[in-house]
Amino acid sequence: GENVGLHLPTLSVQEGDNSIINCAYSNSASDYFIWYKQESGKGPQFIIDIRSNMDKRQGQRVTVLLNKTVKHLSLQIAATQPGDSAVYFCAESGMDSSYKLIFGSGTRLLVRP
Amino acid sequence: DAGITQSPRHKVTETGTPVTLRCHQTENHRYMYWYRQDPGHGLRLIHYSYGVKDTDKGEVSDGYSVSRSKTEDFLLTLESATSSQTSVYFCAITRTGSTGELFFGEGSRLTVL
Repeated sequence: GENVGLHLPTLSVQEGDNSIINCAYSNSASDYFIWYKQESGKGPQFIIDIRSNMDKRQGQRVTVLLNKTVKHLSLQIAATQPGDSAVYFCAESGMDSSYKLIFGSGTRLLVRP
Repeated sequence: DAGITQSPRHKVTETGTPVTLRCHQTENHRYMYWYRQDPGHGLRLIHYSYGVKDTDKGEVSDGYSVSRSKTEDFLLTLESATSSQTSVYFCAITRTGSTGELFFGEGSRLTVL
């Protein structure tokens, strides 16, 4: 079936550096993509989203890039902080009205002090 | 805070016993979801609901049933728990009028011995 995957299971970065977390998706019909952050023992938290009619969207310290040609999604975190340490998931959904999200397997971000 | 409460937060049970997890929301949202999360996997959709008494299956629905008799409560039942159903279960809602992002509860950790 269609699935969303990640290239790197663990990413270690120095505090203050920028982080880039990547995600590949296989369903070309997906039109909505989201990044979630999950801290240990908690539920996933929404970070940022993007629709397929855009290729870039910026939030506070985060940017999501969408390359539909190669079905690739990335999350960029500027000036990474210790509080950014968590597991990050990308998710996708299609055009139906049920808002069902399909999640990737996650990337763990470790921030070194 | 999306006003989602899951109960119980932790449960240990034995194989073959029935288990019901409850998700309660305080904001009167139409869509509710149950996901499970396992090591090496992202979150996988079990069942979802788009209104009172309106439910549908997700990608991993075998062995699970759901009920929604009131807008605020979405119940997930394991009729006869198996060890493969040991997992962390997350309830989620989609806010009416949103672009489709899910807001998650804190999770219910179920261990089936």
